[in-house]
Amino acid sequence: ELKVEQNPLFLSMQEGKNYTIYCNYSTTSDRLYWYRQDPGKSLESLFVLLSNGAVKQEGRLMASLDTKARLSTLHITAAVHDLSATYFCAVDINFGNEKLTFGTGTRLTIIP
Amino acid sequence: DVKVTQSSRYLVKRTGEKVFLECVQDMDHENMFWYRQDPGLGLRLIYFSYDVKMKEKGDIPEGYSVSREKKERFSLILESASTNQTSMYLCASSLFGRYNEKLFFGSGTQLSVL
Repeated sequence: ELKVEQNPLFLSMQEGKNYTIYCNYSTTSDRLYWYRQDPGKSLESLFVLLSNGAVKQEGRLMASLDTKARLSTLHITAAVHDLSATYFCAVDINFGNEKLTFGTGTRLTIIP
Repeated sequence: DVKVTQSSRYLVKRTGEKVFLECVQDMDHENMFWYRQDPGLGLRLIYFSYDVKMKEKGDIPEGYSVSREKKERFSLILESASTNQTSMYLCASSLFGRYNEKLFFGSGTQLSVL
């Protein structure tokens, strides 16, 4: 059974600081996704990582994938308040059907 | 703009009632999914479908069934609602066989079973 674990579950950080969210998964996969959810809203896709060593960046967020370590990271650079949200990673181990298994989420709060 | 529409944002039902949650997508996607989201548990897959009249169980199908009579519509049915089915329900869709494509999510239905 595939398990996807994120840590930390909760994160408060000051504006301007850097931090990393970790996503570990238990079964071989080379497809990992990051989503963002604002309070009371639905999920929005951030990144799709499809191979070992893949790195994607958008603004202050950068995601990477190490399939050998079964680890993905979401790095936040110089955090701003707008990045406060819950971040989920999700893993796909069934080719072609996008049946994703989600992590528990990391609730990020950026403090001024 | 692509859209996944869930018919109700909030729903309150009584124990034992039959509950229908409707989801419609306008993107001609083959895949459709129902997840439930609970604090501390993330999203868990209930059922999914690759095509009309086709369905497969996800990780937590007990107490639920689904219906897909048309490509654009995927319904989640709680045959006899129970309090432990109080949750946020999220519908999603995607293209089949395109694993580099993301899931598109609806805005969710917060169901309370009293």
